[in-house]
Amino acid sequence: AQKITQTQPGMFVQEKEAVTLDCTYDTSDPSYGLFWYKQPSSGEMIFLIYQGSYDQQNATEGRYSLNFQKARKSANLVISASQLGDSAMYFCAMRGTNGGNNRKLIWGLGTSLAVNP
Amino acid sequence: ETGVTQTPRHLVMGMTNKKSLKCEQHLGHNAMYWYKQSAKKPLELMFVYSLEERVENNSVPSRFSPECPNSSHLFLHLHTLQPEDSALYLCASSPTFSTNEKLFFGSGTQLSVL
Repeated sequence: AQKITQTQPGMFVQEKEAVTLDCTYDTSDPSYGLFWYKQPSSGEMIFLIYQGSYDQQNATEGRYSLNFQKARKSANLVISASQLGDSAMYFCAMRGTNGGNNRKLIWGLGTSLAVNP
Repeated sequence: ETGVTQTPRHLVMGMTNKKSLKCEQHLGHNAMYWYKQSAKKPLELMFVYSLEERVENNSVPSRFSPECPNSSHLFLHLHTLQPEDSALYLCASSPTFSTNEKLFFGSGTQLSVL
C-alpha cells in the first residue's frame, strides 16, 4: 500500500537558517510524483515543489529544494534562509502516475514549522 | 477575484440541519476536488469532478452530496451530519485531472457539528 511518513510533528528553526523537513514514502509503482505543500494558519494549502520519480535532478524552487533519495525512498524538503513567514504546517504527498486508483494523492500527517526571530 | 474561493469560512450546524458549502475557482481549471482535513489524520479526498463529471467518490457517506453545475463551481451539500464530521473542508482545482499537476486550494470551511 502507498504511504507517506513525516516523522517530525514539530520543528523549530532560527530565522535565516536552513531547515530540513523529512518525508519518506512507500510505493511499488515504478513511476510516481512527490509534492510538498505549505499550510499557514489561514488554512489554504500552497504548492511548493514537485519531484517526478524519473527526474534526473533534485527539484528546486527559489528557497525550496527537494533532497530526493530514490533508493532510500525519501524526499526531504530543504528551506534555505528561513523567514518568519515560513512558520506553517508542511505536508508531503505522493501520487502514482500509472492511472487508476494510483492517481489519488496520498498525504502525510504534516510537520509544524516555527521560525524564531 | 482570483484563485479558489470558499464560503462560508466557518459553519456551525446541528445534526438535523441542511447546509451547503460553496467553492468557486477563477483559474479556468477543469478539475475540482473536495477534501476533508481532520486533526491527526491525513488529508482525505472525498470527491473529484473532471469536466463537470464526478470521476471519484471515495466511500463518502451519503450525508455528503456534491454538485458541480459548471467547471467553475463546486458545492458540497450537507444533511444529517454527525459530530465526527467536524473538520476543515478544503476545495481544490487543477487544470486537468492529471497526475503531476499541482492543486490550487481554497482557504477551507471550518465546520463544527453540534
